[in-house]
Amino acid sequence: QKEVEQNSGPLSVPEGAIASLNCTYSDRGSQSFFWYRQYSGKSPELIMSIYSNGDKEDGRFTAQLNKASQYVSLLIRDSQPSDSATYLCAVNINQAGTALIFGKGTTLSVSS
Amino acid sequence: DTAVSQTPKYLVTQMGNDKSIKCEQNLGHDTMYWYKQDSKKFLKIMFSYNNKELIINETVPNRFSPKSPDKAHLNLHINSLELGDSAVYFCASSQIPGLFGYTFGSGTRLTVV
Repeated sequence: QKEVEQNSGPLSVPEGAIASLNCTYSDRGSQSFFWYRQYSGKSPELIMSIYSNGDKEDGRFTAQLNKASQYVSLLIRDSQPSDSATYLCAVNINQAGTALIFGKGTTLSVSS
Repeated sequence: DTAVSQTPKYLVTQMGNDKSIKCEQNLGHDTMYWYKQDSKKFLKIMFSYNNKELIINETVPNRFSPKSPDKAHLNLHINSLELGDSAVYFCASSQIPGLFGYTFGSGTRLTVV
């Protein structure tokens, strides 16, 4: 059973701090990794994708990938109250057709 | 213009009833999905269709039957609804999931009473 693991949280950080969200996955064959943000009552929205080992930066967000350790992380710099949401890690799998499997999400709370 | 639209947004129904959820995407994507999100926010894949062909069929009760009349539409029919079917159902589409991830619909909150 291919799995994606995340700490459910809640992760609480003060405004302006760095939030660090972590994810591990079981399928060594996975090639693509995504972070989605989901506000309460809304649908998930894609915020970052990463395919190669190392860091990928996009504004205040940095995704980090280590395939040897089967580990993906998301850093949010200068956290804002509007970043308060559930963050879902997703990993591609190939079983007949390509699909994403999701972790259970980490709830982030940024206090002002 | 909504990229992936689902109807209805809310659905409240009694146990034993049959209901359908509709999904349409105007992105020209070849692949569409149904996911179920439970009360703990866990998104679990149910089905995947590629250009009207069923590709992924996870361990889902056979009371759930997807139908794709064309590559822009993927509907979900549920027979004999049970309390445990209460969840949010998301439709999603993608052109190349491994590269671009998904675009999700707004979800259908199903409550079985």
